[in-house]
Amino acid sequence: KQEVTQIPAALSVPEGENLVLNCSFTDSAIYNLQWFRQDPGKGLTSLLLIQSSQREQTSGRLNASLDKSSGRSTLYIAASQPGDSATYLCAVRPGGGSQGNLIFGKGTKLSVKP
Amino acid sequence: SQTIHQWPATLVQPVGSPLSLECTVEGTSNPNLYWYRQAAGRGLQLLFYSVGIGQISSEVPQNLSASRPQDRQFILSSKKLLLSDSGFYLCAWRVPGFSGNTIYFGEGSWLTVV
Repeated sequence: KQEVTQIPAALSVPEGENLVLNCSFTDSAIYNLQWFRQDPGKGLTSLLLIQSSQREQTSGRLNASLDKSSGRSTLYIAASQPGDSATYLCAVRPGGGSQGNLIFGKGTKLSVKP
Repeated sequence: SQTIHQWPATLVQPVGSPLSLECTVEGTSNPNLYWYRQAAGRGLQLLFYSVGIGQISSEVPQNLSASRPQDRQFILSSKKLLLSDSGFYLCAWRVPGFSGNTIYFGEGSWLTVV
């Protein structure tokens, strides 16, 4: 059974710092991995999606990497800003023809202090 | 562009009362549609998904049901709510092959059963 773990559960950093959020999954047979952002009381905003054949994806100050064989992904945020404060969720889509059922981690709650 | 709408945004219902949450997607055709629940302190759990009109798959046994009366409409229902049904309900959509198979979420509906 696929399980997704995110460490740390919470992180507080000063503004301007570069930071890394970690995601690990137990079954390397995935179709893709998606990173989301969730603001308090709101829905999920898709940040980056990495296909199983890819190693990384970049969008602005965000860079996500994938090491499928070791079951790990990282989300790198450069020059963090207070507006980056949110919960970041990692989700994998298992391989084997699933209809897009994402398996989610419990998230990392990020707080960027001005 | 594609948009997804969920309503109501918040709902307080007594135990034993019925429930209807509605989700519609605009700007796309034949999407896969999903209902997730996010309970306090837990990750997102897939409840139902649908690959077409009238086609519903249930991921977990529960007090809820789903229906898809139209291509871009997905409804989550219950005949009699339980306290344990409280949570944050999220609708999502995906079009196979579109945007790398990214899944997009709505803003969510907060349900409190009292």
